[in-house]
Amino acid sequence: TQLLEQSPQFLSIQEGENLTVYCNSSSVFSSLQWYRQEPGEGPVLLVTVVTGGEVKKLKRLTFQFGDARKDSSLHITAAQPGDTGLYLCAGANAGNNRKLIWGLGTSLAVNP
Amino acid sequence: DAGITQSPRYKITETGRQVTLMCHQTWSHSYMFWYRQDLGHGLRLIYYSAAADITDKGEVPDGYVVSRSKTENFPLTLESATRSQTSVYFCASSDRGQGVNQPQHFGDGTRLSIL
Repeated sequence: TQLLEQSPQFLSIQEGENLTVYCNSSSVFSSLQWYRQEPGEGPVLLVTVVTGGEVKKLKRLTFQFGDARKDSSLHITAAQPGDTGLYLCAGANAGNNRKLIWGLGTSLAVNP
Repeated sequence: DAGITQSPRYKITETGRQVTLMCHQTWSHSYMFWYRQDLGHGLRLIYYSAAADITDKGEVPDGYVVSRSKTENFPLTLESATRSQTSVYFCASSDRGQGVNQPQHFGDGTRLSIL
């Protein structure tokens, strides 16, 4: 059974701090997606990483896919209260009919 | 407006009753999914559909029934609700193109409480 472990599970920081969230597995994925979910809403895609070693930036958010395509990280620079939410990673495998393997998420609170 | 909508947003019912959660998308996406989200378990796939009249079980299908007679609709039915089915239910859709890298687009969820 493929699993995605996210750490930390909870994170509470002050505005302006930097943070990194990790998504790890013992399995190889063809791609990995990061989503953010706000209270009362469904998850929304932030980015998809496909190539081992790939780095993608979305404003203050930097996403990296591990060289072996087993892990990924999300780094937020100078966090803002608007970054508060649940961050979910989801791995995909070719030929699995679009079924994603989901991590349990990292709940981030950025305090003003 | 284009998008994916779920109804109702909130539902309270009693054990043993039948409940149907509705999901409608306007993008003509091929794939549709039903998840439940619970503390400590994250998102778990209940059923998914690759096209109209094609459905398949996910991780936790027991106690649920789905149908997909039209591409845009994917209702989820709890035939005889149990308290363990109290959860937040999300419907999602994704396009066929670009293989497994297609994002899933989620509705805002239905919060279901079974007393």
